[in-house]
Amino acid sequence: DQQVKQNSPSLSVQEGRISILNCDYTNSMFDYFLWYKKYPAEGPTFLISISSIKDKNEDGRFTVFLNKSAKHLSLHIVPSQPGDSAVYFCAASIRAGYSSASKIIFGSGTRLSIRP
Amino acid sequence: DTAVSQTPKYLVTQMGNDKSIKCEQNLGHDTMYWYKQDSKKFLKIMFSYNNKELIINETVPNRFSPKSPDKAHLNLHINSLELGDSAVYFCASSQFRGGNYGYTFGSGTRLTVV
Repeated sequence: DQQVKQNSPSLSVQEGRISILNCDYTNSMFDYFLWYKKYPAEGPTFLISISSIKDKNEDGRFTVFLNKSAKHLSLHIVPSQPGDSAVYFCAASIRAGYSSASKIIFGSGTRLSIRP
Repeated sequence: DTAVSQTPKYLVTQMGNDKSIKCEQNLGHDTMYWYKQDSKKFLKIMFSYNNKELIINETVPNRFSPKSPDKAHLNLHINSLELGDSAVYFCASSQFRGGNYGYTFGSGTRLTVV
C-alpha cells in the first residue's frame, strides 16, 4: 500500500528552466511533507519540508507547494542547474501510533536530469 | 567528519550466513533508524531506536535484530540470510521529533546475498 506516490520515474529539464516534481499521498494524518535529494552511492539528503497546515514553503531556488484538498504536493526548482541532476524522493511524516515518535514514509523517487 | 557512518559499504555473502551492519552518528541525535531500499527503489522503514529504546518496529522478519548499545550507535544483525534480503540498507538519525526537518542518512550498505 503506497501512501506516498511519485508517478513520474524520470524528468528531463533544460538548464535554466523550471523543474516541477510531483507527489501524491493518501493518508490525511501526515503532519509534514519533505523532499530529499539523492546522488548515486550516497544516502538521501534532506532538501526542504512543509507543515501540513501550510500551503507553500520557499528556500532559495526550491519551493514546495501543498494542496491538501487534492492530497498533492510539488517541488519547484528554478532556475534548474546541472548539479540538480539527482533522484528526488517525496516523503511524509506521521506519528508512529504507539509512541510519540514520527516515521517518514518515502515515495519511489523521480530521476531529474538537467540537460545543457 | 561523516555525520552518519555505516560499515561496511558493500557486503557480499552466501545464503544462510549471519551478518551485521554497523552505524554510528556523531550529531548528538537521540533517535536512529534503519531503512531498506529494495529493487524497486522504495525506501521502507524497518526499525527506530530512541535513547537505546526500540520505538518503531515495522513488519520485518525476526531474522533481523537491531541492537543499540548507546544512543550514538545502532547496529543491524541479520540471521540466516536469504536472497530476498539483497538490498541497500540505510541508517539515519534525527532529533526525537524529526518530522519537520527530516533525518540525516548514512551512505548506505549494499548487501548482496548469493
